[in-house]
Amino acid sequence: GQQLNQSPQSMFIQEGEDVSMNCTSSSIFNTWLWYKQEPGEGPVLLIALYKAGELTSNGRLTAQFGITRKDSFLNISASIPSDVGIYFCAGMDNAGNNRKLIWGLGTSLAVNP
Amino acid sequence: GAGVSQSPSNKVTEKGKDVELRCDPISGHTALYWYRQRLGQGLEFLIYFQGNSAPDKSGLPSDRFSAERTGGSVSTLTIQRTQQEDSAVYLCASSRSWSYTFGSGTRLTVV
Repeated sequence: GQQLNQSPQSMFIQEGEDVSMNCTSSSIFNTWLWYKQEPGEGPVLLIALYKAGELTSNGRLTAQFGITRKDSFLNISASIPSDVGIYFCAGMDNAGNNRKLIWGLGTSLAVNP
Repeated sequence: GAGVSQSPSNKVTEKGKDVELRCDPISGHTALYWYRQRLGQGLEFLIYFQGNSAPDKSGLPSDRFSAERTGGSVSTLTIQRTQQEDSAVYLCASSRSWSYTFGSGTRLTVV
């Protein structure tokens, strides 16, 4: 099925560093979502974006909905060990009642304390 | 309930046996989704229920996989004649709007 291009696939950083990851799509999305998955758990929503150009923050996390509506990025500032996990982007390209998300393959983040 | 509940959390089964995985969505969430996640991989869409509409089964990998949702609430994913490649975490999510809430998943191991 359709998937988003998410990069990088994995990152290994030092505690305190900033992190940036992004997603691109060949089609336009009306909604972008960023999720984090920790071991043994399902993904948890971090940030939701609903408008092109929108920049939204949640604590040390900042995400933007690209102007073309075909991309989004997520930044994490001053990383800490508990940021470890897999980060997924997801987009929704529909109108009407179909709420099926299209998912990226994830960015695995490891933080060295 | 407060969150999406899945059971069992772990299931080990012999190849060829049938398994049933259960999902209790958040009360009032009209949409329910099943995903499969193989080790170290992303989320693979399986099936989507929305209210009383016919489910979107486009992600089911074979006719050994089926799912139902009774009374618009609890859902059961059934895998018949399990194969080793069915080993994965099966995640359920429910939603009322744009964002999904996931359960913790059922880890299925076929030996």
